[in-house]
Amino acid sequence: GIQVEQSPPDLILQEGANSTLRCNFSDSVNNLQWFHQNPWGQLINLFYIPSGTKQNGRLSATTVATERYSLLYISSSQTTDSGVYFCAAYTGGGNKLTFGTGTQLKVEL
Amino acid sequence: GAVVSQHPSWVICKSGTSVKIECRSLDFQATTMFWYRQFPKQSLMLMATSNEGSKATYEQGVEKDKFLINHASLTLSTLTVTSAHPEDSSFYICSARGSVQETQYFGPGTRLLVL
Repeated sequence: GIQVEQSPPDLILQEGANSTLRCNFSDSVNNLQWFHQNPWGQLINLFYIPSGTKQNGRLSATTVATERYSLLYISSSQTTDSGVYFCAAYTGGGNKLTFGTGTQLKVEL
Repeated sequence: GAVVSQHPSWVICKSGTSVKIECRSLDFQATTMFWYRQFPKQSLMLMATSNEGSKATYEQGVEKDKFLINHASLTLSTLTVTSAHPEDSSFYICSARGSVQETQYFGPGTRLLVL
């Protein structure tokens, strides 16, 4: 099956810093999503982004499907941004989400 | 919109008992529901996919007699962990998707601890 790798696995930021998270996938995917799992375990949809660039406040994402990667940008990070960021791709018939390995982010004061 | 609830959020049980977890889509009709399992510091692993009114499709390695899934209506799916053992302790997350939605929406998860 498809492999979805994320980097870095862990990241510590000072509040106000910017960061870029990367998601590489081993095969063509139907589309790509980014999620934030907060410290209580709730997954929050960030972006549905099969290609191109989208922005939502301090977050933006870019997917280059032909090169099999996606990037999530976090600007002016806040402590509430802490948690795990997952990318996930629909594969095969488009019904199953395969999750990446995740990036654990901690934003400190 | 697109809110998914799960109940209970926490459950502690003795080995050998069965535990039922409910997943509800509150403001949309979920034609497809998904059940995931997540161990600490790991990613989400899909256990099974269910469509309303039909049998669930289980992923390879997931025991269907151990993890019973029922998707009886367009707003409710249940996962029953039968004869639970300590190795079944995990974080179980459901998600739901409607027929017109591009993406899935996730419930808050259920933490199961089997003693």
